[in-house]
Amino acid sequence: SAVISQKPSRDICQRGTSLTIQCQVDSQVTMMFWYRQQPGQSLTLIATANQGSEATYESGFVIDKFPISRPNLTFSTLTVSNLSPEDSSIYLCSGDPEPSYGYTFGSGTRLTVV
Amino acid sequence: ELKVEQNPLFLSMQEGKNYTIYCNYSTTSDRLYWYRQDPGKSLESLFVLLSNGAVKQEGRLMASLDTKARLSTLHITAAVHDLSATYFCAVEEDNAGNMLTFGGGTRLMVKP
Repeated sequence: SAVISQKPSRDICQRGTSLTIQCQVDSQVTMMFWYRQQPGQSLTLIATANQGSEATYESGFVIDKFPISRPNLTFSTLTVSNLSPEDSSIYLCSGDPEPSYGYTFGSGTRLTVV
Repeated sequence: ELKVEQNPLFLSMQEGKNYTIYCNYSTTSDRLYWYRQDPGKSLESLFVLLSNGAVKQEGRLMASLDTKARLSTLHITAAVHDLSATYFCAVEEDNAGNMLTFGGGTRLMVKP
């Protein structure tokens, strides 16, 4: 299965600042997906990112708050902007599904906003 | 809008016992995935179920999919402490472009 390297693994950020999370895939993927997992909760899809086009955001998530870049088929970044304590969550990325393995996820970024 | 419901949300069981986790979903799909998440960790793929009647087994875990009933089950046989984790099902909706919708998760604790 594909391997997705995600960094940082964790960070503590001040209110009002931003954090950029990176995901690097060891193979080319058409789509990358960004999820948020709030404490003790399930995963919620933030947006889907294709190379060369603007990301598609799910209801409740906007580009100004969660800008995404997708410069090539192996890399993507998610920025969480103007941080507030409510943004404290784990953020995960994923790539295209593989037939026998399904979707591979990055190792996650645990964000704490103070 | 696709909804995915898991139950139970929390399960405490003794080692050696059997139990089943249920995953119901609200629209047509024949692609369902089960994941395991340990505390502070990412998601580990357990099973990929891609057709009606699919059954997969790995060790003490067995997953099945009934697309007509829109139901998947994850059966645990003779539980051991190492199975303690949170288990998620996730459904890929037909014609929705590889989007996954996750169930709420089942937090499993297996007691010695």
